[in-house]
Amino acid sequence: EVQLVESGGGLAQPGRSLRLSCKTSGLSFGDNAMSWLRQAPGKGLEWLGFIRSKTYGGAAEYAASVKGRFNISWDDSKTIAYLQMSSLKTDDTAVYYCALGALWFDPWGQGTLVTVSS
Amino acid sequence: DIVMTQSPDSLAVSPGERATINCKSSQSVLYSSNNKNDLAWYQQKPGQPPKLLIYWASSRESGVPDRFSGSGSGTDFTLTISSLQAEDVAVYYCQQHHDTPWTFGQGTKVEIK
Repeated sequence: EVQLVESGGGLAQPGRSLRLSCKTSGLSFGDNAMSWLRQAPGKGLEWLGFIRSKTYGGAAEYAASVKGRFNISWDDSKTIAYLQMSSLKTDDTAVYYCALGALWFDPWGQGTLVTVSS
Repeated sequence: DIVMTQSPDSLAVSPGERATINCKSSQSVLYSSNNKNDLAWYQQKPGQPPKLLIYWASSRESGVPDRFSGSGSGTDFTLTISSLQAEDVAVYYCQQHHDTPWTFGQGTKVEIK
């Protein structure tokens, strides 16, 4: 069974950085794309970006709203995907999910809450 | 960006009755190369992450009960729950993966009447 577990959320001040992790288990690491999405409190879902599998070159694509501020990467040795977030804004407050896949997303992790506030 | 608009925003259905959720995209999401629609449906129960129900507009994900079905093509899509069960109470989202950024509908809340 594929499982994804996010960590690294918490309280951050505006302008600061935060790195989220997505620990994977039960899948062939390197053969899957990974996406990051978020959901602001009481709101809908927003796609942030995905990173292709190593098989397909490992490049990433991002939503315009986070391009240049957020970076998605793999750590092969630890079967972990990362979301590095910089120049955080109060609007970035949300539950952040990692999810397997590049086009549709299945499964999703349980999410980690990021609160950006001074 | 492709705008996804769902209707209604919420609906209440009696147990065993049909629930129908509509999703309209601002431009066609039909992928001409394979004649498939780049449209997925998700279910999100309170306090849980979303769960994939349908991909390619009408392909049911493994393990999803067959009372859930997807239909439509081009710009107009429908998620149907043929016989609503108590455990189907959730918010349902459509999502297009035709052009980046992938975008979601605003969600439809389904409740028991």
